[in-house]
Amino acid sequence: SQTIHQWPATLVQPVGSPLSLECTVEGTSNPNLYWYRQAAGRGLQLLFYSVGIGQISSEVPQNLSASRPQDRQFILSSKKLLLSDSGFYLCAWGQSYNSPLHFGNGTRLTVT
Amino acid sequence: QKEVEQDPGPLSVPEGAIVSLNCTYSNSAFQYFMWYRQYSRKGPELLMYTYSSGNKEDGRFTAQVDKSSKYISLFIRDSQPSDSATYLCAIGGGGTSYGKLTFGQGTILTVHP
Repeated sequence: SQTIHQWPATLVQPVGSPLSLECTVEGTSNPNLYWYRQAAGRGLQLLFYSVGIGQISSEVPQNLSASRPQDRQFILSSKKLLLSDSGFYLCAWGQSYNSPLHFGNGTRLTVT
Repeated sequence: QKEVEQDPGPLSVPEGAIVSLNCTYSNSAFQYFMWYRQYSRKGPELLMYTYSSGNKEDGRFTAQVDKSSKYISLFIRDSQPSDSATYLCAIGGGGTSYGKLTFGQGTILTVHP
C-alpha cells in the first residue's frame, strides 16, 4: 500500500532563517505531488505541484520554492522566512489527474 | 464568487444524530467530488470519492452529488463522538489540470455523547 511521510511535524523558526520541509511517498511510482498551506478557517491553498522529476508549477507567487529531486520526493524551501509564512503545510500525492489526493500529516510552522 | 462554498458551521449534534454537510460549486465543468475528514493537527483523510450524480454509500457515510444544481452533500448516520472533526469538500476536473483540487473552507463537527 502507499504511504506518505512528511517531516518535521512541528517547526519554530526565526524570521529570516531558511526552511526545508521534506515529503516522500512510498508504494507508487511517478505520482503527482502537491504542497498545500492551510490557514485557520481559510481552507487549503495550493502552493506548488509537480508531475515529474524537476517539473514544478507554482500557483501563488511568494517567498517559497519547491523542488523534486527524485520521483517520490518533494521539498518545500525558503531562503528567508517571513512572519506570514507561518501555517500548516501539507504534502499530498495523487496517481493521475482525476484521482483523489492523499495527504501527509502536515508540518506546523511558526515563524517568530 | 468562490469556486466552492461550504456551509461554515460549526455543527454540534448529539450522538446518534444524522449529520448533513453541504457544498455548492460554480463551475459546471467540475467532474469529480470528494469529502475529507481532518482531525486536529492531522492531514485530511479521504472519506468519499465520486464522479457521477447520485448517491454513494460507504458504511454510515453517504455522498450525494447533484450536478444539475451544482450541489454536493455528505450524510453521516448514527453519528459518533469519534466523528468529531473538520470535514472538507473538494472538487476537481473542469479544466484544471494535473489533479488540482479546489477545497471548501471546512465545517467543524462536534458529536457529543
